Amino acid sequence: KAGVTQTPRYLIKTRGQQVTLSCSPISGHRSVSWYQQTPGQGLQFLFEYFSETQRNKGNFPGRFSGRQFSNSRSEMNVSTLELGDSALYLCASSLAVGEKLFFGSGTQLSVL
Amino acid sequence: EDQVTQSPEALRLQEGESSSLNCSYTVSGLRGLFWYRQDPGKGPEFLFTLYSAGEEKEKERLKATLTKKESFLHITAPKPEDSATYLCAVQAHSEYGNKLVFGAGTILRVKS
Repeated sequence: KAGVTQTPRYLIKTRGQQVTLSCSPISGHRSVSWYQQTPGQGLQFLFEYFSETQRNKGNFPGRFSGRQFSNSRSEMNVSTLELGDSALYLCASSLAVGEKLFFGSGTQLSVL
Repeated sequence: EDQVTQSPEALRLQEGESSSLNCSYTVSGLRGLFWYRQDPGKGPEFLFTLYSAGEEKEKERLKATLTKKESFLHITAPKPEDSATYLCAVQAHSEYGNKLVFGAGTILRVKS
């Protein structure tokens, strides 16, 4: 069974640009969550989607947004990139809300 | 506010030298406590979920325990392949679902 797939694996952008990251969950998983991981702040929750609806949102500015499609695939978008947005962005899927999360390998975003 | 504190930040062990990692937490209504392992360049890998005080779970050389205020991850006779960052996370009761609050992690290095 394929795991959580995130694309691209690495991304380099400049300040002010926007970026879209993609996540394909494990087949049959309907819940997708996004986390930001940095050396200083660790893993921080961005948002969670279930059946195309955002169920929960973390304390990030409105520049961070996401969506989920009918096939459970998800995308997150960051607009007007700042240097501090450089991080590993992790997507996780689960069968249902409250179940254990399965993480992808992440997208390493560098903002120059 | 939900909080998770892990100690120590880093731990160096000789192969075969058993030890424990600590995760203390404050949460309004614990729904579950999760342990993950993360290798460099990869996403976290699920190890255990604990739901109530007194619960214990084991997997190979790892054993996780839970009290009302903290959890321990006991590593018995570790091997070099156990080297990784171990993350603890709590999930609080919420109508909004699956948000996990992570600790900063413990970096474990096992030398042969």
